[in-house]
Amino acid sequence: DVKVTQSSRYLVKRTGEKVFLECVQDMDHENMFWYRQDPGLGLRLIYFSYDVKMKEKGDIPEGYSVSREKKERFSLILESASTNQTSMYLCASSFPGTTEAFFGQGTRLTVV
Amino acid sequence: RKEVEQDPGPFNVPEGATVAFNCTYSNSASQSFFWYRQDCRKEPKLLMSVYSSGNEDGRFTAQLNRASQYISLLIRDSKLSDSATYLCVVNMNNQGGKLIFGQGTELSVKP
Repeated sequence: DVKVTQSSRYLVKRTGEKVFLECVQDMDHENMFWYRQDPGLGLRLIYFSYDVKMKEKGDIPEGYSVSREKKERFSLILESASTNQTSMYLCASSFPGTTEAFFGQGTRLTVV
Repeated sequence: RKEVEQDPGPFNVPEGATVAFNCTYSNSASQSFFWYRQDCRKEPKLLMSVYSSGNEDGRFTAQLNRASQYISLLIRDSKLSDSATYLCVVNMNNQGGKLIFGQGTELSVKP
């Protein structure tokens, strides 16, 4: 059974904290993605990676960074969390090309 | 202009109805297309790919019009279990496989 695992389902952090969201996939996928999902705005791409140590900015990278040191793991970092980063964060992975992307269950982050 | 646009709905239909969702994309270099389904409080999952010639999977039919940069999903004989949000997705194969999602169309099928 294919799997994308996000480290936390729910997270509450304080403004200004550094936050790490971890994602691991067991399918040997080259591509990995971080999205945030907000009501009325759908899924917006923050960053994606097409190979180890490679990353591309998505539509809303400001306030975020990523790390991909190993093929199976893609981390999203909020350098200094702010309340407008309260959201549902979804990680996904896929092979390149016309193939299905698989999602983790999401991390609901609340910044207070 | 958003890269992928959908009518957000909600669409409220009775069981047995036929419902159609539309999606437009702005980048003509987009190379492959999908419909995903997302249930409440769950992650998105692939419903079906969309091929140039159109394709059908049971009660679901997907169409692609590259000239108009338009994708559609038709659901026939709606079931209560079809209630979900339907997401149009574009794969930018020429950008390393970047996946762009529309904002989703919510469907509610009533008895």
